[in-house]
Amino acid sequence: AQSVSQHNHHVILSEAASLELGCNYSYGGTVNLFWYVQYPGQHLQLLLKYFSGDPLVKGIKGFEAEFIKSKFSFNLRKPSVQWSDTAEYFCAVNAAGTASKLTFGTGTRLQVTL
Amino acid sequence: DTAVSQTPKYLVTQMGNDKSIKCEQNLGHDTMYWYKQDSKKFLKIMFSYNNKELIINETVPNRFSPKSPDKAHLNLHINSLELGDSAVYFCASSLLSGKYNEQFFGPGTRLTVL
Repeated sequence: AQSVSQHNHHVILSEAASLELGCNYSYGGTVNLFWYVQYPGQHLQLLLKYFSGDPLVKGIKGFEAEFIKSKFSFNLRKPSVQWSDTAEYFCAVNAAGTASKLTFGTGTRLQVTL
Repeated sequence: DTAVSQTPKYLVTQMGNDKSIKCEQNLGHDTMYWYKQDSKKFLKIMFSYNNKELIINETVPNRFSPKSPDKAHLNLHINSLELGDSAVYFCASSLLSGKYNEQFFGPGTRLTVL
């Protein structure tokens, strides 16, 4: 069974600070990896995804993530956060090539202060 | 233009009642899902249907019964509602036959059981 760990539960940053949110997964096979964002009171939106190829993927709003297979990690980064990035961030995985469920991490609440 | 829609957006009801939540997608996807997000924001899969057939059924009480009249709809009926059912329920859809099985989420239904 898959599992996902997000070690940072609540992160507070000032505007313009750099961001890195950790995500580690556990699964014996090939996975697809995702980062979703949930703005206050809104639904989940896909930030970026990794399926294969270049392990550094770029998403919307200046976010990027790097897949490090040896570390089972898929950390999310942004060089300079904005107040509007305040949201809940979820890392998720599913087994590649199947109709499998998404397994989510517990989420990281990012609060960006002015 | 809404890709995945859910109704109602908010649902407040008494313990013991029966209620339904509806989900529709206009993306031409063949697979639909229900996820539950609890008060701590943790997201967990409940059910998945592919072409009207149940393919994922996590450990969910029998009081929850999904119904898929066609590929574009997946409804969730809940009998004898309990306080612990209070949560936000998200519908999602994906194209199983597609390469990536990327899931698109609806806006969520916030269920409050009093």
